[in-house]
Amino acid sequence: EPEVTQTPSHQVTQMGQEVILRCVPISNHLYFYWYRQILGQKVEFLVSFYNNEISEKSEIFDDQFSVERPDGSNFTLKIRSTKLEDSAMYFCASNQADRGGIQYFGAGTRLSVL
Amino acid sequence: GENVGLHLPTLSVQEGDNSIINCAYSNSASDYFIWYKQESGKGPQFIIDIRSNMDKRQGQRVTVLLNKTVKHLSLQIAATQPGDSAVYFCAEGPGGSYIPTFGRGTSLIVHP
Repeated sequence: EPEVTQTPSHQVTQMGQEVILRCVPISNHLYFYWYRQILGQKVEFLVSFYNNEISEKSEIFDDQFSVERPDGSNFTLKIRSTKLEDSAMYFCASNQADRGGIQYFGAGTRLSVL
Repeated sequence: GENVGLHLPTLSVQEGDNSIINCAYSNSASDYFIWYKQESGKGPQFIIDIRSNMDKRQGQRVTVLLNKTVKHLSLQIAATQPGDSAVYFCAEGPGGSYIPTFGRGTSLIVHP
């Protein structure tokens, strides 16, 4: 069964450093998402991406965040200057159709900001 | 503000029993609801969804019930198995866009 893959599984970084989290969505999917989950808290929507542009974003997704689809397979989330409060699990998801379609999630990247 | 919440943070059942996990929502504009399962160390996994024009939908061993009058959503799992042990989230999608709002989650523990 096709799956969304995320790398790395765990990223440790120093406060103020830039990180790039990588995702390979399912190949025939057109819509891509990033979510985060702070330990013990709810999953929170960050951003959705379609046709090489952001379609929706939440208040969390400020100027420190950016997304990119640099080639036909990867979908990345960049945090320019990490803060301690950015420590969380980051999940990538993809689906074929935006509303009403099943979103398939990756296993997540655990980001630890020291 | 609008939110999605869960009544029970932890539910313990015996293998073979039926499980019911509840979720309350307060955004009356929501027209699409999803249940996810999240096992330890994994991302959320879609279980079943329902649109607001329905009040019941069945899948394999799972049933989702939607009561729009009281803004309540439930997930019923029949003949619960140890492999069903996980955290279950409900999420809602408001009409007009899809920015899902997730509930906090209920931990289901199935005892063999």
